[in-house]
Amino acid sequence: EVHLLESGGDLVQPGGSLRLSCAASGFTFSSHDMRWVRQAPGKGLEWISSISSSGETTYYADSVKGRFTISRDNSKNTLYLQMNTLRAEDTAVYFCARRSSDRASDYWGQGTLVTVSS
Amino acid sequence: DIVMTQSPLSLPVTPGEPASISCRSSQSLLLSNGYNCLDWYLQKPGQSPQLLIYLGSNRASGVPDRFSGSGSGTDFTLKISRVEAEDVGIYYCMQVLQAPLTFGGGTKVEVK
Repeated sequence: EVHLLESGGDLVQPGGSLRLSCAASGFTFSSHDMRWVRQAPGKGLEWISSISSSGETTYYADSVKGRFTISRDNSKNTLYLQMNTLRAEDTAVYFCARRSSDRASDYWGQGTLVTVSS
Repeated sequence: DIVMTQSPLSLPVTPGEPASISCRSSQSLLLSNGYNCLDWYLQKPGQSPQLLIYLGSNRASGVPDRFSGSGSGTDFTLKISRVEAEDVGIYYCMQVLQAPLTFGGGTKVEVK
């Protein structure tokens, strides 16, 4: 069974940093592109980053470009999101999702909450 | 960036009755192979989003056949043939043609 488990969410001050992790199991992690999607409190879904299966290619939303870095360790079946220079507007639940061969996000984690506040 | 526009914002439904949600994209999502790069997701209260429909009209594994997706190019529709109480939540369309991937604003389906 496919399982994605995010961790690392916390309360952090504006300007601070945080690293999220997404532990994958139940599938061949190294064969799938992965995504991060976030949801601010009471708001809709926002895609923020994707990474290819090998880790060589990455994409970012303009809202996080230059501040966030997506990466992966295929030997550990883990996806990461390094978040720097955090802002109040980064407060959200962060989901990792698997990209299927048909481009869809077919499996999602339960999410981890990041709160940026002083 | 491709802008996704959903309507309605809110949809009160009666169990057993049909329901329909519209999604429009600011540019065509049609590939040369005939597939549309459009997915539908349902986020039930307190849960993560779940995939319902991919490539415009393909039901994801385990999704009941009362859900169907249609449309092509820039206009898409998600239909529920007979709404059940468990279908309440927020429905999102998402384009997966190109980065940045973008979602519609969501349609909240509530039981009357």
